Amino acid sequence: GAVVSQHPSRVICKSGTSVKIECRSLDFQATTMFWYRQFPKQSLMLMATSNEGSKATYEQGVEKDKFLINHASLTLSTLTVTSAHPEDSSFYICSAQKQGVGEKLFFGSGTQLSVL
Amino acid sequence: KQEVTQIPAALSVPEGENLVLNCSFTDSAIYNLQWFRQDPGKGLTSLLLIQSSQREQTSGRLNASLDKSSGRSTLYIAASQPGDSATYLCAVGTGGFKTIFGAGTRLFVKA
Repeated sequence: GAVVSQHPSRVICKSGTSVKIECRSLDFQATTMFWYRQFPKQSLMLMATSNEGSKATYEQGVEKDKFLINHASLTLSTLTVTSAHPEDSSFYICSAQKQGVGEKLFFGSGTQLSVL
Repeated sequence: KQEVTQIPAALSVPEGENLVLNCSFTDSAIYNLQWFRQDPGKGLTSLLLIQSSQREQTSGRLNASLDKSSGRSTLYIAASQPGDSATYLCAVGTGGFKTIFGAGTRLFVKA
């Protein structure tokens, strides 16, 4: 099946620093990738839709200047959490859509971000 | 606005039992419905994908059904095993390829 790689799996950083999370589709091209955020025991909340070669589309309430998304190629999207604060601590997951399989979503393994 | 609800929120069953997880959605105009499994601190694994034109999908001990008109889907797990313990998420694909997730059902299968 299709594979989506997400890196790093866990990161701890100090308040005020920036953290970059990478999401790669390893064996298929993904023109569209999605970034989600998940709080403990809650479901995934869509943050933004990442489109290759164009600006990301952010969901209501998500600060685009804080969560920078870059989709520079058909296999890579990055999410940068800028000037991180403790309230940004969360589990971030990306997914990629593979064309031709009913728009099935394939997910990365997630990144646990802890901001001290 | 599409809303997805999963019942029960948590379930504990003895090994070998058959069980049903429920998912309901408010807007029947869906593109597809997908069931995922999530292990603690991990990403999601797709279990079954049902297109809007389909009624059910089967994979091994898993069977998922879809009734768009009533806004419901069920995930049936036969002969449950301790390794099935995880959180099961229902996700509805909507127009624009957005996916709305339920809050999940946390399943614990006791050996």
